[in-house]
Amino acid sequence: QVQLVQSGTEVRRPGASVKVSCKASGYTFTHDTIHWVRQAPGHRLEWMGWINPANGNTRYSEKFQGRVTFTSDTSANTVSMLLSSLNSDDTATYYCARYNWALDHWGQGTLVTVSS
Amino acid sequence: EIVLTQSPGTLSLSPGERATLSCRASQSVRTNYLAWYQQKPGQAPRLLIYGTSSRATGIPDRFSGSGSGTDFTLTITGLEPEDFALYYCQQYDTSPISFGQGTRVDIK
Repeated sequence: QVQLVQSGTEVRRPGASVKVSCKASGYTFTHDTIHWVRQAPGHRLEWMGWINPANGNTRYSEKFQGRVTFTSDTSANTVSMLLSSLNSDDTATYYCARYNWALDHWGQGTLVTVSS
Repeated sequence: EIVLTQSPGTLSLSPGERATLSCRASQSVRTNYLAWYQQKPGQAPRLLIYGTSSRATGIPDRFSGSGSGTDFTLTITGLEPEDFALYYCQQYDTSPISFGQGTRVDIK
């Protein structure tokens, strides 16, 4: 069965960076794009962008352009999201999700807390 | 950016009743690119409907989607106890992908 397993909870200071990983299993990793979506407490889901694991192509939401980087490691069936210059507004749960007609499978979420 | 507005904010219903959730887009969305998700506390969203009206794998047929253009609807016919949750619509027609603010279905 398709599974996306994310790395654990992170706490960072303002100005720092955080890297969240997402390991895929149960399907052909290079077949589908992986999207990143975040959810701040009490806020709607917010799309951050996607990566094509087959070739590393990416598309980022303009809101995060220049501050976020997605990477893919096909040998480990893992994609990662690096978010830099963190501030308190980045406190959120970050999800990876596979795109297959829509976002059909999601990781369990990674809570990132930014606090001084 | 396409803004999605869901209504009502909260729907208070009893088990067995019918729930009708609305999603209105600020500009037209092609029907192939409108989805609905269910989210329960502490869990990731779960895909219910894609392409406006196609049920995702394993989704019971009490969930149905309809609509076109700027107006879309999720209907739950005969609420089960496990259906009380938060529901989001999403468009993936135009970048950036966007989500509605959610409709909460509460037990009356």
